[in-house]
Amino acid sequence: EVQLVESGGGLVKPGGSLTLSCAASGFTFSNSWMNWVRQAPGKGLEWVGHIKRNLDGATTDFAAPVKGRFTISRDDSKNMLYLQMNSLKTEDTAMYYCTRNTPDDLWGQGALVTVSS
Amino acid sequence: DIVMTQSPDSLAVSLGERATINCKSSQSVLYSSDNRNYFFAWYQQKPGQPPKLLIRGASTRESGVPDRFSGSGSGTDFTLTISSLQTEDVAVYYCQQYYSNPYTFGQGTKLEIK
Repeated sequence: EVQLVESGGGLVKPGGSLTLSCAASGFTFSNSWMNWVRQAPGKGLEWVGHIKRNLDGATTDFAAPVKGRFTISRDDSKNMLYLQMNSLKTEDTAMYYCTRNTPDDLWGQGALVTVSS
Repeated sequence: DIVMTQSPDSLAVSLGERATINCKSSQSVLYSSDNRNYFFAWYQQKPGQPPKLLIRGASTRESGVPDRFSGSGSGTDFTLTISSLQTEDVAVYYCQQYYSNPYTFGQGTKLEIK
């Protein structure tokens, strides 16, 4: 089955760190650009960043609100995508979705991150 | 950043009637090599679910998307039309440009049954 499954969400204090994981299956992960998109409770969608495939240099780009605090990495041998989040702020509270390609043609169910003291 | 502005914010339409959602980009999202390929998409998000890609390239439906959904537009103005509203179409609809990062979304349009 073609799917993405996020894990690692939870409650973290402001200033803390958290790493989300995304397990991909059913498609050639190494051929895909991968993204993270987030959605604050009751709000709209916000692109967080992406990582290109290794063939394209595996370079990353980020939205301004998270640049310098978030890192995206991938392990093609394990079909895994990661989002390392540091210096978390209350405004980072959101459901975080792992998605495939641009436009985003496959979405996971999401991992909820709550940043609160 | 390219700003995407949707209208209206919410919409109530009777079953079987046409629903129209608009989206305007702050600059062109046309990929110029063939003058027809817009880096523009529509998504549908039902309550409690992740978004689902409906349309890419402004007018190309994804596999499995009912043909009552259609996308159109040019320049900086785009439209999603549902020709005959069904109960399962109740959702929030988002537009997105993927011409340049950050790949920005519209604020969403909530579609309900009248």
